[in-house]
Amino acid sequence: GQNIDQPTEMTATEGAIVQINCTYQTSGFNGLFWYQQHAGEAPTFLSYNVLDGLEEKGRFSSFLSRSKGYSYLLLKELQMKDSASYLCAVRDLNYQLIWGAGTKLIIKP
Amino acid sequence: IAGITQAPTSQILAAGRRMTLRCTQDMRHNAMYWYRQDLGLGLRLIHYSNTAGTTGKGEVPDGYSVSRANTDDFPLTLASAVPSQTSVYFCASSRGGDTGELFFGEGSRLTVL
Repeated sequence: GQNIDQPTEMTATEGAIVQINCTYQTSGFNGLFWYQQHAGEAPTFLSYNVLDGLEEKGRFSSFLSRSKGYSYLLLKELQMKDSASYLCAVRDLNYQLIWGAGTKLIIKP
Repeated sequence: IAGITQAPTSQILAAGRRMTLRCTQDMRHNAMYWYRQDLGLGLRLIHYSNTAGTTGKGEVPDGYSVSRANTDDFPLTLASAVPSQTSVYFCASSRGGDTGELFFGEGSRLTVL
């Protein structure tokens, strides 16, 4: 079967660093995506990894290990506006996305 | 219009009624998708269209139908709504290419009583 696992909820402090993990088991792999979704809003694209390693984009970085079926999203210098759900998705060989249930990140002052 | 527009934003309807959720994009993207999002579950693909004139079934297509008469419009129809179709529905499009980034509409919250 196909499965994407990520923690349901995490809490972090403003200004700190948080790492959101995602593990996956899929029948094929053609890239991994992270999306941000604020409450009541649409998901928006954050990052894409298809090769192993770290992709950095400002305060956000995403890491992929294909051999371990593992990714993480790293958020630095947390701001209150980073309070949102973070969705991990894997694209299969048919170019369809399989989505995790999302991690709700709560930022405290 | 900028990006993807969905309508209605919110709707309450009685079970058994027919309902069409509208989706229009102005980005000239070839691929379009309908997802439903339920608490505690990941986004689930209902139907998709890789290009105008073609459609395909996703993970949860039963009870739903779509059409893609042109590039811009991708309506989703519930022929006879049931309470289990209560959900938030997102339309999305993709320009294709390597990243395949999805652009989402703002969602349609549907409640079936």
